[in-house]
This record gives sequence, structure tokens and C-alpha cells, in this order.
Amino acid sequence: KAGVTQTPRYLIKTRGQQVTLSCSPISGHRSVSWYQQTPGQGLQFLFEYFSETQRNKGNFPGRFSGRQFSNSRSEMNVSTLELGDSALYLCASSLAGVLVQETQYFGPGTRLLVL
Amino acid sequence: GDSVTQMEGPVTLSEEAFLTINCTYTATGYPSLFWYVQYPGEGLQLLLKATKADDKGSNKGFEATYRKETTSFHLEKGSVQVSDSAVYFCALKGNAGGTSYGKLTFGQGTILTVHP
Repeated sequence: KAGVTQTPRYLIKTRGQQVTLSCSPISGHRSVSWYQQTPGQGLQFLFEYFSETQRNKGNFPGRFSGRQFSNSRSEMNVSTLELGDSALYLCASSLAGVLVQETQYFGPGTRLLVL
Repeated sequence: GDSVTQMEGPVTLSEEAFLTINCTYTATGYPSLFWYVQYPGEGLQLLLKATKADDKGSNKGFEATYRKETTSFHLEKGSVQVSDSAVYFCALKGNAGGTSYGKLTFGQGTILTVHP
């Protein structure tokens, strides 16, 4: 079974621009979660989507948004980029995201550099 | 809210040494606990997990036991190899309903370097 895939793997943007990242979950997984990883803040939960609906979100400004399509693929968008948005963005998928014992499987991440 | 605290790092060991990385957590109810590993330039890989008290997760020589009385999930390996050099993350998934959906709470990560 193919793993979680993320595109692109690397991005360079300038302040004020917007960016869209894509994530394709493992086949059959319907829950997709996004995380931001930075040296200073570590791994922080952005939001989770299930059945095209955002079910849970972390403590990030409204510039961070996402969506999920009917095939469970997900995108996240960051508008009006700031230098502090430079990070590794990780996507993870799981079957349904509800059960406490469910395992999340991570993609390789998209490394975003904001200049 | 949920939180995970890992031992301060980095950790540097010689090959075949014994490894312990401490992890303690705060959560309501009965979370599941995970250890993930991240190699340079890659995403996170699940190393092991435990879903209830006294469960022991194990994989590739690594072990961790879910201790509810001490709210801990320490990672151990009896004999580390150079190839174990990576960043290790302790994480929990809570069961507080909607606020737990699809959410892992991570510790700050521990960098492990193993020298030949």
C-alpha cells in the first residue's frame, strides 16, 4: 500500500505571498491531519479533516486554512506569508481519526522557506 | 489540556550502549501513547505504541511501557546502533471527544547520536 504523499517537497516563497500544499492519504484513510514543525515550537497540530469537514483545529491564525476533497486528498493554504511560517509541514492520515488507539501515518513533509 | 514532556537532549552514546529517553504526560482519561522517530530529511515513522495501562510496545529492539501511576512512557533499547541516530518524539492521543479528533500532542523531541 502506498504511503502518505505530499507535494511539493520544497517551496521558497516571499513574504506576503500565499502557498498551497497538497497531501494524499493512504488508500482507505479518511482522516487527514496537518502539523507544523519548527525548531522553536516543535510539532504543533494545525487541523484535521474528515469527510470534507474540518473537525478539529489547533491554535493558529486564520491565515492557515485547509480543505479536503471527496477522495480524502487534502490541501492546506497559508495566505499572507510571514517569515515565521518557515517550517516543515507534515500531513498524517488515519482511518477515521476518532478512536484513541488509531495510528497516524506521516508523509515526508513539505519544507517551506519564506524570504 | 494534554501535554507531553521529554527529557532534555541531545543524547550521545557509543554503539552498544543502553538507551533511555524519558517521557511523561498529562492528559485526562485514558490516552494512547506513541513513540515516533524522524530521520534527517524525512517525516515521522511510528516506532511503537501502547493503548492502555501496563501495555508494553516494542519494535526493532526498542521498548516502552505505559505506566499510568507515574504517567510515563519511557523509551529503552538495550544496545543502540549507529543507524539508530535520529530524533525521537513521544506523543499522545487523547480521548476527550471532538478536541482529540485527529490530534497528536508531541513532546519536544530528543536528538540521539550514536558513535561507532
